[in-house]
Amino acid sequence: GDSVTQMEGPVTLSEEAFLTINCTYTATGYPSLFWYVQYPGEGLQLLLKATKADDKGSNKGFEATYRKETTSFHLEKGSVQVSDSAVYFCALRLTGTYKYIFGTGTRLKVLA
Amino acid sequence: GAGVSQSPRYKVAKRGQDVALRCDPISGHVSLFWYQQALGQGPEFLTYFQNEAQLDKSGLPSDRFFAERPEGSVSTLKIQRTQQEDSAVYLCASSLDSGGGVYNEQFFGPGTRLTVL
Repeated sequence: GDSVTQMEGPVTLSEEAFLTINCTYTATGYPSLFWYVQYPGEGLQLLLKATKADDKGSNKGFEATYRKETTSFHLEKGSVQVSDSAVYFCALRLTGTYKYIFGTGTRLKVLA
Repeated sequence: GAGVSQSPRYKVAKRGQDVALRCDPISGHVSLFWYQQALGQGPEFLTYFQNEAQLDKSGLPSDRFFAERPEGSVSTLKIQRTQQEDSAVYLCASSLDSGGGVYNEQFFGPGTRLTVL
């Protein structure tokens, strides 16, 4: 079935370090891909998205490229800040549907 | 403007009790979704409303769960005879549905954390 697999956390980094959170997917159709972020005590917020192969989503210094050949959508940021500490969820949505399929989430801790 | 709000934020129930969880979507949003997020897991789809019509309830785990949205705005998720396995965070999301229809971005509330003892 359709699924999303992302790296387990927590990921602990020092401020200004480079971040990569891996995400791969399995889908029977041609999905749109998303990264959501959940700050403590808040709801999920859309961070970025990509709707077709080779699209790059970007927001707040974060980037992810839709790689169809490797079925991946890895999240990257060149220099993390303490305020980036949160849980990050990779998700897919099949074309023509409204249901999201989420990964299990990756907790990021950034130390000053 | 106000986002999606949910109440209560925390609920502790004894096994066998009934609970009701409320969701206030963003004003004017047509679609409303409920998700269940177990500890250490990602959210999983429960049910979907378009206005007051419940168009998809395929994710509801048992007949103890039901949801309503009688006036096409506020929604309530009710769980009868709660069990320990119902312990989770219940998330509500809404979307506007203009142009792109139901496939527009979903805006999530902060969730209700339900603990069943």
